[in-house]
Amino acid sequence: GQSLEQPSEVTAVEGAIVQINCTYQTSGFYGLSWYQQHDGGAPTFLSYNALDGLEETGRFSSFLSRSDSYGYLLLQELQMKDSASYFCAEVDSNYQLIWGAGTKLIIKP
Amino acid sequence: DAGVTQSPTHLIKTRGQQVTLRCSPKSGHDTVSWYQQALGQGPQFIFQYYEEEERQRGNFPDRFSGHQFPNYSSELNVNALLLGDSALYLCASSSSGGEETQYFGPGTRLLVL
Repeated sequence: GQSLEQPSEVTAVEGAIVQINCTYQTSGFYGLSWYQQHDGGAPTFLSYNALDGLEETGRFSSFLSRSDSYGYLLLQELQMKDSASYFCAEVDSNYQLIWGAGTKLIIKP
Repeated sequence: DAGVTQSPTHLIKTRGQQVTLRCSPKSGHDTVSWYQQALGQGPQFIFQYYEEEERQRGNFPDRFSGHQFPNYSSELNVNALLLGDSALYLCASSSSGGEETQYFGPGTRLLVL
């Protein structure tokens, strides 16, 4: 079957660094995307990893290890506006996005 | 350059009724995907349209159907509504071959009473 696992909730302090992990178990895996969704809003694309390694986009970075079926999203210099839910989503061989249940990031001042 | 738009934003229906939701993709995109998102859950893939045909379908009953028009806009139809169909319905557009990067509309929040 296909499933993605990520923590349901993570708490961090403003200005700190936080890592949100995602593990997947599937066949036909093509890559891993990350999306951010604020309460009441629509998901917005953050990053995509098709190959092993780290992709950096400003304060956000995403990592993939195919051999470990594992990826993570790294958020640096946390700001209060980063409080949101973060979803990992697998791109499968049919170009479908299969989503995790999401990680709620709570940032404290 | 308009992003993805959806209408209506909110909708209240009763069990057994039918509903049609609409989506216009981002300019330059030719692929539209529909998702259902229950409260506190991740989006669940319903289906994807490309070149006016359903290309992929998730695990949803035939009560859920769709259509894509020549201008790439799309409709989602749900027949015989159930209470469990209450959710946020999201439309996402992408370009063919670039489905890893999807742009989402604001969604339609459907409440079935």
